[in-house]
Amino acid sequence: TAGITQAPTSQILAAGRSMTLRCTQDMRHNAMYWYRQDLGLGLRLIHYSNTAGTTGKGEVPDGYSVSRANTDDFPLTLASAVPSQTSVYFCASSSPGSYGYTFGSGTRLTVV
Amino acid sequence: AQSVTQLDSQVPVFEEAPVELRCNYSSSVSVYLFWYVQYPNQGLQLLLKYLSGSTLVKGINGFEAEFNKSQTSFHLRKPSVHISDTAEYFCAVSSGGGADGLTFGKGTHLIIQP
Repeated sequence: TAGITQAPTSQILAAGRSMTLRCTQDMRHNAMYWYRQDLGLGLRLIHYSNTAGTTGKGEVPDGYSVSRANTDDFPLTLASAVPSQTSVYFCASSSPGSYGYTFGSGTRLTVV
Repeated sequence: AQSVTQLDSQVPVFEEAPVELRCNYSSSVSVYLFWYVQYPNQGLQLLLKYLSGSTLVKGINGFEAEFNKSQTSFHLRKPSVHISDTAEYFCAVSSGGGADGLTFGKGTHLIIQP
């Protein structure tokens, strides 16, 4: 089934450790996004990429980095995790002009 | 810049009653509007979207929404709700063809009471 695969599904991470959340899509969509979801705050954009080789900052980029080496993969890295990064992370993709967004199933991250 | 306001964080409704979930947006350019549903411990599922044309948009599961440009609103409605509609509902706006992603509201928790 075409779509977005996120890994891991959930993770408990010690504060100060680094971690990479993986996101892979098989729809050849140009644009990809990372959101975090927090209770009462909805989903907020962390970083985005309009096409392979380019990235941009969203609303809440601090403490996160991304790369887009190819069309299919868009990993999100936490260099030194802090408890405030405890959240559910969603990866999404879209094809410009289609106005359709596909979301992954999410990664639940707990930083302790 | 664009923003979305969902006026109610929580809406309790009795089963088989009608419901309206309110959404207002602000944007300096033309917008595209979306409603997503999130069932407990799941990802987001698209209910419906407005891109252009008819202001009344019909979606899945019997939901519909009406785009009102003068009131900058995109309220979601269902004439008769079921227990299975219990979920979090998110209104979202995009100003382009995906380049900058979606801007979401904070969500409305729809609680269906038997």
